[in-house]
Amino acid sequence: RKEVEQDPGPFNVPEGATVAFNCTYSNSASQSFFWYRQDCRKEPKLLMSVYSSGNEDGRFTAQLNRASQYISLLIRDSKLSDSATYLCVVNSGGYQKVTFGTGTKLQVIP
Amino acid sequence: GAGVSQTPSNKVTEKGKYVELRCDPISGHTALYWYRQSLGQGPEFLIYFQGTGAADDSGLPNDRFFAVRPEGSVSTLKIQRTERGDSAVYLCASSLMGGREQFFGPGTRLTVL
Repeated sequence: RKEVEQDPGPFNVPEGATVAFNCTYSNSASQSFFWYRQDCRKEPKLLMSVYSSGNEDGRFTAQLNRASQYISLLIRDSKLSDSATYLCVVNSGGYQKVTFGTGTKLQVIP
Repeated sequence: GAGVSQTPSNKVTEKGKYVELRCDPISGHTALYWYRQSLGQGPEFLIYFQGTGAADDSGLPNDRFFAVRPEGSVSTLKIQRTERGDSAVYLCASSLMGGREQFFGPGTRLTVL
């Protein structure tokens, strides 16, 4: 089983739609969770950290389910500019080493 | 302020050659990471430095790969006897010690012919 698993997509959604991505992780000792965004042929950039209580940043909501070992990202009112690959990132325990998922590709269609 | 920079942006080499990839982290960031990303995949961890020392090099695929950070700032990833399978984008990231966010450079696209 991979350490971090994501559905690669692509998810093709119309503008204004709500879309959700899930990511599962295998290491129950993981403590830190993140969503990064990567545009085509660009470097990854932090979108948001994921906290135990769940957190929201504008149209984006991240949640953590430790019992089932998954994190989720919800995007409301999708914009064309949200088209990108969304990478689930989980720390591997201990210090700052993290593992990236393969990413989920989102395409928002006009 | 300046972000993470990587040089060269593109490198084309022939099988069997030696290459060096350079990373300049954000000033003051003590943690530095190297990743390799192939098409359709997420970044794959290679090595992590805390200061000058490699805290974890468990991701280096074999002994052809080596990385240094002699003064705790700039880092060089060295690949000997390159193989076609080494072709990928090599990403460098840095963060503050204890920091949660990693800041990535634009990457070096390595092509081995």
